Amino acid sequence: DTGVSQDPRHKITKRGQNVTFRCDPISEHNRLYWYRQTLGQGPEFLTYFQNEAQLEKSRLLSDRFSAERPKGSFSTLEIQRTEQGDSAMYLCASSLTGGFFKQFFGPGTRLTVL
Amino acid sequence: QKEVEQDPGPLSVPEGAIVSLNCTYSNSAFQYFMWYRQYSRKGPELLMYTYSSGNKEDGRFTAQVDKSSKYISLFIRDSQPSDSATYLCAMSGDSGGSNYKLTFGKGTLLTVNP
Repeated sequence: DTGVSQDPRHKITKRGQNVTFRCDPISEHNRLYWYRQTLGQGPEFLTYFQNEAQLEKSRLLSDRFSAERPKGSFSTLEIQRTEQGDSAMYLCASSLTGGFFKQFFGPGTRLTVL
Repeated sequence: QKEVEQDPGPLSVPEGAIVSLNCTYSNSAFQYFMWYRQYSRKGPELLMYTYSSGNKEDGRFTAQVDKSSKYISLFIRDSQPSDSATYLCAMSGDSGGSNYKLTFGKGTLLTVNP
């Protein structure tokens, strides 16, 4: 399977704990994106990487959120001191720079904060 | 007013019907228009994309963009039960602008009844 993969698929945590999600993009894609989707809403942009550089962050991405993409391959999204409002589906997507409008999404990580 | 408006439905049709889904938008900088299909608890899957105004056909699916009215549509002919999913419209600016993030509608939940 050469699609975007995400791990874990589901995460249940208690309020105040830290969580980390991983995304493996399509291998030849140099752009990687993170989105968040809550129930009944479309995905909302969080941040994106061009190779290893994080080029844009949404104001939705509070100081408790940090993302990395070392060596321009896989990416991690960490949420510190989770809150109940962080419960959502976290989606990763990847694309080629020239095909930025054709973003291919992974299956998502569903986070539940108790 | 949100940048992209989409009627969340739900929309229920009999098998074989023609389905019409649509979105309106307010940001005149949008140049790329995409339709994604999302099955329950899965990541969005890219169906079609269109650049600027015009029509595009792919099998049973036809995408239309009217930039003068800021209105886009997706038509599904001969709808099948397997088409039952949430359909999300998404938009992006051109290269040189906000050519990184997709702005999504809320999604329309479609059920095709056998």
